[in-house]
Amino acid sequence: DAMVIQNPRYQVTQFGKPVTLSCSQTLNHNVMYWYQQKSSQAPKLLFHYYDKDFNNEADTPDNFQSRRPNTSFCFLDIRSPGLGDAAMYLCATSRGQGFYEQYFGPGTRLTVT
Amino acid sequence: AQTVTQSQPEMSVQEAETVTLSCTYDTSESDYYLFWYKQPPSRQMILVIRQEAYKQQNATENRFSVNFQKAAKSFSLKISDSQLGDAAMYFCAYRGSIQGAQKLVFGQGTRLTINP
Repeated sequence: DAMVIQNPRYQVTQFGKPVTLSCSQTLNHNVMYWYQQKSSQAPKLLFHYYDKDFNNEADTPDNFQSRRPNTSFCFLDIRSPGLGDAAMYLCATSRGQGFYEQYFGPGTRLTVT
Repeated sequence: AQTVTQSQPEMSVQEAETVTLSCTYDTSESDYYLFWYKQPPSRQMILVIRQEAYKQQNATENRFSVNFQKAAKSFSLKISDSQLGDAAMYFCAYRGSIQGAQKLVFGQGTRLTINP
């Protein structure tokens, strides 16, 4: 029944070592989002895809990139993780924008050592 | 830029009682959407309730209802007959309707504790 799946649930990486987080969906939704959520804070949108159109938030660091090879999958690449990138990364999907509900995955907790 | 403010970082309520979580927002748009999302501990965020700004009638979903005051830019969430499973972080969120500016803007959240 899982609709938005994130792998892995926990990821430990070393300072500066590239890491990729994965998100897949079974909902066939057009839009996929990546959020960063630090402890006790609101989720912060990094970027989203509307179909194949990539939309980057203005304040998303260049260190963060994303790929969406098909409708079902979306990846978050962190090229050179710093200690400040340790956070929960949430993937979400929606059929469209506006009034459409966003469906969130369980998140990947990233630790940087 | 739109902002969303939740002035209550933490709230607690006795089981079976009613609690209201506050949310205010700032926008210059006339058409927009408002949401309450719930994030239980170690579980994924889910939508609780949503409201379209052009609708005057307050949205209701079972034990959850909102008090939407457009002029005051207020969107509070009322939880009736609180249950232990309602314990979570609750985020109020705003989304505009202008093409290209439709990201979900979240408030800082209110942590709700249910006392048995």
